[in-house]
Amino acid sequence: QKEVEQNSGPLSVPEGAIASLNCTYSDRGSQSFFWYRQYSGKSPELIMFIYSNGDKEDGRFTAQLNKASQYVSLLIRDSQPSDSATYLCAVNTFGMDSNYQLIWGAGTKLIIKP
Amino acid sequence: DAGVIQSPRHEVTEMGQEVTLRCKPISGHNSLFWYRQTMMRGLELLIYFNNNVPIDDSGMPEDRFSAKMPNASFSTLKIQPSEPRDSAVYFCASSSPLAGSDTQYFGPGTRLTVL
Repeated sequence: QKEVEQNSGPLSVPEGAIASLNCTYSDRGSQSFFWYRQYSGKSPELIMFIYSNGDKEDGRFTAQLNKASQYVSLLIRDSQPSDSATYLCAVNTFGMDSNYQLIWGAGTKLIIKP
Repeated sequence: DAGVIQSPRHEVTEMGQEVTLRCKPISGHNSLFWYRQTMMRGLELLIYFNNNVPIDDSGMPEDRFSAKMPNASFSTLKIQPSEPRDSAVYFCASSSPLAGSDTQYFGPGTRLTVL
């Protein structure tokens, strides 16, 4: 059973601090890794994707990938109350007939305290 | 460009009734996914299509659920008969792996309540 694991939280971080969200996955063949943000009552929206080992930065967000450890993380710098949401980690894997599908973590609820 | 479109946005029905959810993927996307989300079980993949063909329906809970994609711009998810445990938010998502991207883009979801 291919799995993606996340700490469900809630993770409480003071405004202006760095929020660190973590995700581990079981399929060593996975090649694409995604972070989605979901506000309460809304649909998941893509924040970042990463394909290669190392760091990828986009504004206040940095995704980090370590394929050897099967670990992907998301750092949010200068956290704002508007960052309060559930963050979903998704990892691609081969499905039926070699078609890719995404395996989803349960999500980490992040709370930024003013 | 319009994103993924779903209808209805909210549906309240009584147990035993038929429910049909609709989805229009992003134009040019050839993969379409139906998900169900609940607090208890999180986001679950029900079925996905590539080029209008169902690829993996192992997530469909039981025979009461069926999905079709008659053309590249329309898909339906039908529940017949509906039960209270089907209450959830149902999302449709699309992607374009032929363009080299497996990023999925979600519609706004349909919130289903079965009384």
